[in-house]
Amino acid sequence: AQKITQTQPGMFVQEKEAVTLDCTYDTSDPSYGLFWYKQPSSGEMIFLIYQGSYDQQNATEGRYSLNFQKARKSANLVISASQLGDSAMYFCAMREPTTGNQFYFGTGTSLTVIP
Amino acid sequence: EAGVAQSPRYKIIEKRQSVAFWCNPISGHATLYWYQQILGQGPKLLIQFQNNGVVDDSQLPKDRFSAERLKGVDSTLKIQPAKLEDSAVYLCASSLDLAGGLEVDTQYFGPGTRLTVL
Repeated sequence: AQKITQTQPGMFVQEKEAVTLDCTYDTSDPSYGLFWYKQPSSGEMIFLIYQGSYDQQNATEGRYSLNFQKARKSANLVISASQLGDSAMYFCAMREPTTGNQFYFGTGTSLTVIP
Repeated sequence: EAGVAQSPRYKIIEKRQSVAFWCNPISGHATLYWYQQILGQGPKLLIQFQNNGVVDDSQLPKDRFSAERLKGVDSTLKIQPAKLEDSAVYLCASSLDLAGGLEVDTQYFGPGTRLTVL
């Protein structure tokens, strides 16, 4: 079974609008971490936001917020006020301490911001 | 604070040739990862080191790939001989590896090495 599932291969959003990128995960561990990374065309993976499994509140980092629904095992990324520079691939990832802290990545969502 | 450094940034070789990639992690980071990212896919873990020991190399094609992390700092990844399907971006990442394996331990990535095998 896939550890991380991203069902949206590509998304489009109008500049200044908000967009939600979906991510669901599969784990039986009580303790885990969820991450979102941005990968522009330059290739570097840029860390955006982190959510811990025990965190009571949704994580926020500037224009990024993580809609964490533990019972549904979903960790959607919300980008508010989209900018042209947000056009990139976005990867959801999970880390399980009980499996040697290995990271599991999804297949990614390509986001295009339309001016 | 300096980020993860990788070299070279680009490499073009012919099949059956050898190639080596170098990675210098963030200072103080105990854990180092090598990933292979084929175009259009997510990163796939090749090998994970904690200090100079291997934690996971289950997806490393050991007949042609090798990696080492001498002295627990820099690391090299080698492919010998290369095949066409090795064309990919090779990403190195490092993390602090907090005691107890807390999930907050974020990975930071280098710029990657884009390998083309002709």
